[in-house]
Amino acid sequence: GESVGLHLPTLSVQEGDNSIINCAYSNSASDYFIWYKQESGKGPQFIIDIRSNMDKRQGQRVTVLLNKTVKHLSLQIAATQPGDSAVYFCAENPFQGGSEKLVFGKGTKLTVNP
Amino acid sequence: SAVISQKPSRDICQRGTSLTIQCQVDSQVTMMFWYRQQPGQSLTLIATANQGSEATYESGFVIDKFPISRPNLTFSTLTVSNMSPEDSSIYLCSEIRTGYGYTFGSGTRLTVV
Repeated sequence: GESVGLHLPTLSVQEGDNSIINCAYSNSASDYFIWYKQESGKGPQFIIDIRSNMDKRQGQRVTVLLNKTVKHLSLQIAATQPGDSAVYFCAENPFQGGSEKLVFGKGTKLTVNP
Repeated sequence: SAVISQKPSRDICQRGTSLTIQCQVDSQVTMMFWYRQQPGQSLTLIATANQGSEATYESGFVIDKFPISRPNLTFSTLTVSNMSPEDSSIYLCSEIRTGYGYTFGSGTRLTVV
């Protein structure tokens, strides 16, 4: 069945360092991937997305890399700040039968130490 | 940006009772989704709610336990029926629309005692 998982459940970094959060997915037919940030007591917030016809996409301080060969997704956060502390989820759209549903990974808790 | 209003934000309920969660979006959308997030865990899709048709439930979720309504293109409700402590979770609604992608409500934190 489809599944999206993460390699690291927790990540602790120093303020100013770069952070890398990884995600593995199992459905090779997935064509759309999203990274979300979830702060305590809030719903997931969109960070960045990427389609399967790309291998890299950059935003403000964030970069998503997609390696379809090994079905791996990563989120890089540059110059991590205390406000980046949150749980990060990757999600994929398996696009089964035209469905727009998302399948979420387990999540990585990022802690930024000042 | 797209806006979803979800309520209640939290509730404490007695076992055996039911709770209805409401989601209102600021524009007409075709698809809305309902997720459950158990404590310390990721989001699991309960069902997809399409206007004008029955909701499509994921494996492990049934309509009798989680009835969903979608009376129009801006509103949906999820009911958690005959609750037990195992239903204690955060419940989130989501929608997708062209140009905005997926947007999530802030969630309903449910505690069943």
